Amino acid sequence: AQKVTQAQTEISVVEKEDVTLDCVYETRDTTYYLFWYKQPPSGELVFLIRRNSFDEQNEISGRYSWNFQKSTSSFNFTITASQVVDSAVYFCALPSNTGKLIFGQGTTLQVKP
Amino acid sequence: DTAVSQTPKYLVTQMGNDKSIKCEQNLGHDTMYWYKQDSKKFLKIMFSYNNKELIINETVPNRFSPKSPDKAHLNLHINSLELGDSAVYFCASSQGPPPSGYVLTFGAGSRLTVL
Repeated sequence: AQKVTQAQTEISVVEKEDVTLDCVYETRDTTYYLFWYKQPPSGELVFLIRRNSFDEQNEISGRYSWNFQKSTSSFNFTITASQVVDSAVYFCALPSNTGKLIFGQGTTLQVKP
Repeated sequence: DTAVSQTPKYLVTQMGNDKSIKCEQNLGHDTMYWYKQDSKKFLKIMFSYNNKELIINETVPNRFSPKSPDKAHLNLHINSLELGDSAVYFCASSQGPPPSGYVLTFGAGSRLTVL
């Protein structure tokens, strides 16, 4: 069965530090998608990125970057020069073959000024 | 215009009561979902509808009954509320049905507190 593990429960950094959020997944599917969502203190869930397992190129969007490594079943998320507004809970997710989006436990990131 | 809107945002009620949460999406999506987030932030799917047809029905108590009058609306009715039902309930929608790589767009959540 599919599984997503975010081993880091909470991370605290000081503004401008770089921070990496880890995501390890398990699936027997040969093709699959991976997602990251952000849940800021206001509570809504915001989509950040979707990655197809065929595409192993790393992706960068502003201060955000994602490192997809199929060999280690990891899809890590790095925030460069973190800001207070990055404080949130971040979820990694993987659709199961029965259609359920399986979320990791979430990593709470606190960025202190 | 909010893409996925849920009402009410907050709900405080007594054990044993019945309550409903409504959800509407204006994205033209075919598929809608209910997710439950517990106090530890763990997110789990409850139900999914595609074009008004129930396609995912997780192991939830039958006190929870979803209803989709049309593909833009998905409501959640909960009977005989229990303390353990306290959680944040998220509605979401996607362009197509699972399994797929479609992105889910979530509502702002409805925080239910059962006293």
